[in-house]
Amino acid sequence: EAQVTQNPRYLITVTGKKLTVTCSQNMNHEYMSWYRQDPGLGLRQIYYSMNVEVTDKGDVPEGYKVSRKEKRNFPLILESPSPNQTSLYFCASSGGDGSYNEQFFGPGTRLTVL
Amino acid sequence: KNEVEQSPQNLTAQEGEFITINCSYSVGISALHWLQQHPGGGIVSLFMLSSGKKKHGRLIATINIQEKHSSLHITASHPRDSAVYICGYGGSQGNLIFGKGTKLSVKP
Repeated sequence: EAQVTQNPRYLITVTGKKLTVTCSQNMNHEYMSWYRQDPGLGLRQIYYSMNVEVTDKGDVPEGYKVSRKEKRNFPLILESPSPNQTSLYFCASSGGDGSYNEQFFGPGTRLTVL
Repeated sequence: KNEVEQSPQNLTAQEGEFITINCSYSVGISALHWLQQHPGGGIVSLFMLSSGKKKHGRLIATINIQEKHSSLHITASHPRDSAVYICGYGGSQGNLIFGKGTKLSVKP
């Protein structure tokens, strides 16, 4: 089944404790991206990658890192999480030219930073 | 500054009503996305369009590139259409920019 998977789905952590949220897709998509969704602010792009070893900042990259060493994986790294990073996170992928193609979203990761 | 404006922010309708959600953007674009997010949280892509109109079942999306405006219509609305509808576009750098969404509630 074609899908985007994220892990973990739920995570409660404490300020400053490094964490990684994994994202993997099995559709051989070139484009992958991360979003955070907050009430009243909508869906905002954190980072995106148009292909392996190519990553770019979205609207809200501060406090986040990403890497794209393999086509299928695009982990989101929070080196020192803070409470303002408490949010619902989505990973997405698409083929071809990325932002001009249909986006496939993962199920979301709800992160709470205490 | 959000470059995508959606209206209304919230919408309540009775089952069977015709629904329109509007999306305006401020820059020239090549393609516009409509997404649906159900109360369970998952997001699915409904449409991606660059001109004219697309139809899928009871959902119709239109876009006017010159006026920088798109609409999502739902005919014969049903409670299962209750969701948040999000529009957005691909930026020239490869990024994606989305609006804040329209929360639709369809009452039986």
